[in-house]
Amino acid sequence: GENVEQHPSTLSVQEGDSAVIKCTYSDSASNYFPWYKQELGKRPQLIIDIRSNVGEKKDQRIAVTLNKTAKHFSLHITETQPEDSAVYFCAASAIGGSQGNLIFGKGTKLSVKP
Amino acid sequence: GAGVSQSPRYKVAKRGQDVALRCDPISGHVSLFWYQQALGQGPEFLTYFQNEAQLDKSGLPSDRFFAERPEGSVSTLKIQRTQQEDSAVYLCASSPRDRGRSGNQPQHFGDGTRLSIL
Repeated sequence: GENVEQHPSTLSVQEGDSAVIKCTYSDSASNYFPWYKQELGKRPQLIIDIRSNVGEKKDQRIAVTLNKTAKHFSLHITETQPEDSAVYFCAASAIGGSQGNLIFGKGTKLSVKP
Repeated sequence: GAGVSQSPRYKVAKRGQDVALRCDPISGHVSLFWYQQALGQGPEFLTYFQNEAQLDKSGLPSDRFFAERPEGSVSTLKIQRTQQEDSAVYLCASSPRDRGRSGNQPQHFGDGTRLSIL
């Protein structure tokens, strides 16, 4: 089955700097890669997602890149702000059958220092 | 409703007791997922419903776990004879289409139920 590895587990940056979180996946059938932000005690919130027919997607300060050959995808946050502090999870899934379930990484705790 | 609603938010039970956790998905959403999130970990899949049909229960850790969605909307996750290792946050997510369709739809999560077994 699918396995998703996420690095780093913790990341501390100064306000205004960029943050990059990387994930790798094992199942070449995976074709949908969402990123969730989870604040303490709150629900995971979808912040951006990418499908395997696209190499990069951007939404304001957030961007995601996907390398299908290497089976890795990354989240890039530019001009970080204190409110970006949270745990970020990457996930992978494939179309159809049991592969439609999301397989999550273990999360990255991002701290943005003012 | 505006989003996925789960109740209770917090549940404390003694080992051996039965518990029931409720999920109200976004109105009209076909797909409903339950996940278990241990402290400091990512969510792990438990079970999937397409309308009222439970199509996948491969993630349920034991036969003490049971889920239902009898009318294709509200779902209940029941844990019988709870054990300490059941302590976790239980998350429910819904999605507008079935997972078999081309192009996975985003899953929208509730705030979860934090279950503590003493």
